[in-house]
Amino acid sequence: EPEVTQTPSHQVTQMGQEVILRCVPISNHLYFYWYRQILGQKVEFLVSFYNNEISEKSEIFDDQFSVERPDGSNFTLKIRSTKLEDSAMYFCASRLGRESRDQPQHFGDGTRLSIL
Amino acid sequence: DQQVKQNSPSLSVQEGRISILNCDYTNSMFDYFLWYKKYPAEGPTFLISISSIKDKNEDGRFTVFLNKSAKHLSLHIVPSQPGDSAVYFCAAINTNAGKSTFGDGTTLTVKP
Repeated sequence: EPEVTQTPSHQVTQMGQEVILRCVPISNHLYFYWYRQILGQKVEFLVSFYNNEISEKSEIFDDQFSVERPDGSNFTLKIRSTKLEDSAMYFCASRLGRESRDQPQHFGDGTRLSIL
Repeated sequence: DQQVKQNSPSLSVQEGRISILNCDYTNSMFDYFLWYKKYPAEGPTFLISISSIKDKNEDGRFTVFLNKSAKHLSLHIVPSQPGDSAVYFCAAINTNAGKSTFGDGTTLTVKP
C-alpha cells in the first residue's frame, strides 16, 4: 500500500539555524499538509497546500515557516531560524482529493525535530 | 478555544470487553469526523470516519456513533484486543475548509 514517507526521522539543530523537513506524499495525491505535535500535547495543524500554493495556514505558521513542492514528488517544510519551542514531531499528510467522505488524510511517521 | 475535546486522557479495558472512546466538538460547521490510531514513533493511521449525514458507521470491530444534536461522537471497539493499545485521536473537518482539527487523544490500554 502506498505511504507517505518523511526524512529524516530525527533532526537535531542548533537554535537559530535553518532546517528543512522533507516529505514524499502518495504519488497521485493532490492535497498536502503539515502538522506538528509538541511532546505531550495535541496534534496541531500548520498548513495545507494545493495546486502549488498554500490554501490554509494556522497562527503557528508564521513568517519563519515556508512550504514548497520543488518537484513532482517532494513536499518540504522549512523553518528559517529555529527556536527552542519549535522542538516537536512534525507530520506530513496527503490526501487524494477535496476532503470528502472516503478520502482521509494519510500521515507519514513524522520527523522528530530537536532544537538545542 | 478547543474545538475538539477528548475528555478522557486514558482508558484501560480488559481483553474481550468493549472499549468506548468519546469525543466532543463545538463547531457546528464540522461535517466529517475521523478516528486515527497512533502507535509510538509512528504517524496517525486512519481508522474509521463518519459523515454528518449519518449517525453510525461500522467497520469490523470498530463502530463510530455520531450524535449531532449533542455534538458528540464515540468509537466503540468490540471485542478489544491487546493490539488495540494505542493513542486514539478524534478529528473533525469542515469540508469547505479542509483541515483536520484534532482532539488531545486518549491512550487506550487493553489488558490481556
